[in-house]
Amino acid sequence: AQSVAQPEDQVNVAEGNPLTVKCTYSVSGNPYLFWYVQYPNRGLQFLLKYITGDNLVKGSYGFEAEFNKSQTSFHLKKPSALVSDSALYFCAVRDNYGQNFVFGPGTRLSVLP
Amino acid sequence: DTEVTQTPKHLVMGMTNKKSLKCEQHMGHRAMYWYKQKAKKPPELMFVYSYEKLSINESVPSRFSPECPNSSLLNLHLHALQPEDSALYLCASSQDYSSNQPQHFGDGTRLSIL
Repeated sequence: AQSVAQPEDQVNVAEGNPLTVKCTYSVSGNPYLFWYVQYPNRGLQFLLKYITGDNLVKGSYGFEAEFNKSQTSFHLKKPSALVSDSALYFCAVRDNYGQNFVFGPGTRLSVLP
Repeated sequence: DTEVTQTPKHLVMGMTNKKSLKCEQHMGHRAMYWYKQKAKKPPELMFVYSYEKLSINESVPSRFSPECPNSSLLNLHLHALQPEDSALYLCASSQDYSSNQPQHFGDGTRLSIL
């Protein structure tokens, strides 16, 4: 069965500092990995995905993520955080057998001015 | 702006009412989804439609009844709901069910059951 872990419920970072939101996963086959962001009273917005190829994936709003197969991780990163990045972040995985998306529990990111 | 449109944005209903949630997308996607999301929790999959046919029902109570009238529209009919059904209901679509493409979400309907 597929699973996703986001080990931190909450991440606090000062504006201008780099941020990392962690994600680890477990799937049977090859993983398809996704990051979504959710602002208050909004739906989930797609940020980026890893399917195959380069382990460093670049996405929307300056975010990037690094796929690490040996550590089964897909951490979300941004070199310089903005206050407006404060939101709830979800990592999701599905395998190449076409199983359902499985979402992680979410990490609340707070960027402090 | 999201490309998946959900109406209404808010809905308050009594336990004996019948209401419907609506979802529309014009991206040519052939898979559409209903999710339920409680506060500060991840979305929970309820139903999947693939090419307008119900392909997954995640053991959802029969008081929730989905309908896909055409490839652009998805409805969720509600009847005799319980207070624990209060939540944000999200619709999503993707190119097709088995692809590696992301799901695109609407902004949801916030449902309150009195």
